[in-house]
Amino acid sequence: GNSVTQMEGPVTLSEEAFLTINCTYTATGYPSLFWYVQYPGEGLQLLLKATKADDKGSNKGFEATYRKETTSFHLEKGSVQVSDSAVYFCALSYTGGGNKLTFGTGTQLKVEL
Amino acid sequence: NAGVTQTPKFRVLKTGQSMTLLCAQDMNHEYMYWYRQDPGMGLRLIHYSVGEGTTAKGEVPDGYNVSRLKKQNFLLGLESAAPSQTSVYFCASSYQGRNTEAFFGQGTRLTVV
Repeated sequence: GNSVTQMEGPVTLSEEAFLTINCTYTATGYPSLFWYVQYPGEGLQLLLKATKADDKGSNKGFEATYRKETTSFHLEKGSVQVSDSAVYFCALSYTGGGNKLTFGTGTQLKVEL
Repeated sequence: NAGVTQTPKFRVLKTGQSMTLLCAQDMNHEYMYWYRQDPGMGLRLIHYSVGEGTTAKGEVPDGYNVSRLKKQNFLLGLESAAPSQTSVYFCASSYQGRNTEAFFGQGTRLTVV
């Protein structure tokens, strides 16, 4: 079956530090890959996505590249802010059959001044 | 700008009681989903629907039932609540097309004592 593995948290960084959150996946065929973010007390919202190999998704300074050869979709940001503190989820889905999402366990990020 | 609205936001049940969680979306989305979020496990799909009048099982359907009588509403029922169903429940919806974004509600925190 499909699965997503994320690095465990929590991750604590100082403001302006570089962020990497690792994500690898197991899937057949060619899934689409997503990063969702959950701010405290809220639901999940889409951060970025990539739909085919070598695609780079980007939003709000975050980036992730779909690497089929390493089955990875690592999230990066060059300079984090306190406002980036949240839980980040890597996920995959296939078009058809309801576009169901398979999530990783989530990585909590805390950014301190 | 309502998006996906879940009712209620919090609930405490006694073991064996029943309840229904309501999800309403105003974006005319075809697809709707119910997920549960548990610590260290990410989000897991309970049931989903690809259109009015249709439902299908997800990864963890046991102990839950769903109905989609109207396109905009997706109900999740617990007939006889158990402590193992203590969780945060999220409803989501999306368009039918390829690689579409899922929009999430703010969640329902359910405690079964």
